Amino acid sequence: DGGITQSPKYLFRKEGQNVTLSCEQNLNHDAMYWYRQDPGQGLRLIYYSQIVNDFQKGDIAEGYSVSREKKESFPLTVTSAQKNPTAFYLCASSLGGGSNTEAFFGQGTRLTVV
Amino acid sequence: DAKTTQPPSMDCAEGRAANLPCNHSTISGNEYVYWYRQIHSQGPQYIIHGLKNNETNEMASLIITEDRKSSTLILPHATLRDTAVYYCIVRVPNRDDKIIFGKGTRLHILP
Repeated sequence: DGGITQSPKYLFRKEGQNVTLSCEQNLNHDAMYWYRQDPGQGLRLIYYSQIVNDFQKGDIAEGYSVSREKKESFPLTVTSAQKNPTAFYLCASSLGGGSNTEAFFGQGTRLTVV
Repeated sequence: DAKTTQPPSMDCAEGRAANLPCNHSTISGNEYVYWYRQIHSQGPQYIIHGLKNNETNEMASLIITEDRKSSTLILPHATLRDTAVYYCIVRVPNRDDKIIFGKGTRLHILP
């Protein structure tokens, strides 16, 4: 099946540890996005990438890092510098390149830092 | 910041049409209006989008005012499964395309 996959669905980490969230798509999409969602809130953009080997900061990039070494993959690392990392993280992809098409979302990873 | 304004919540009786408004008074000529919805603890799902003309698909209809400063998403016969948060977004699908979400409208379908 074609789609966008986030893993794992639930993740627990101790405070002070870095953690990497996986996002893979087999839709041949150029553009990929990471969002953070807190309870009862909308989605806030962390990082986005329009093409392989390039990415841009979103509105809340501090404490996060990404890489885009392959078209299919856009992993997000939550570093120990992120002061409040517990949240629901969503990854999305779209065709990109100026194409007027919708974005597809993964099912999210719920990160809990204790 | 999001370029759209939506009411925080709305109720609709099951079987009736749900009309969700969105204000985008600063929309520019090449920005499209997109609608997504998010059912609790899932990823958002695309519903519909448009530029100037009204649009309809199997899920919903999108009515955009002539001045393009507002739009309405219509779910013609709401069911309990339509209970979700609905997001209205404006975006330009260019090479610096950031998809920015606002807080959306929480739609409650009442039995």
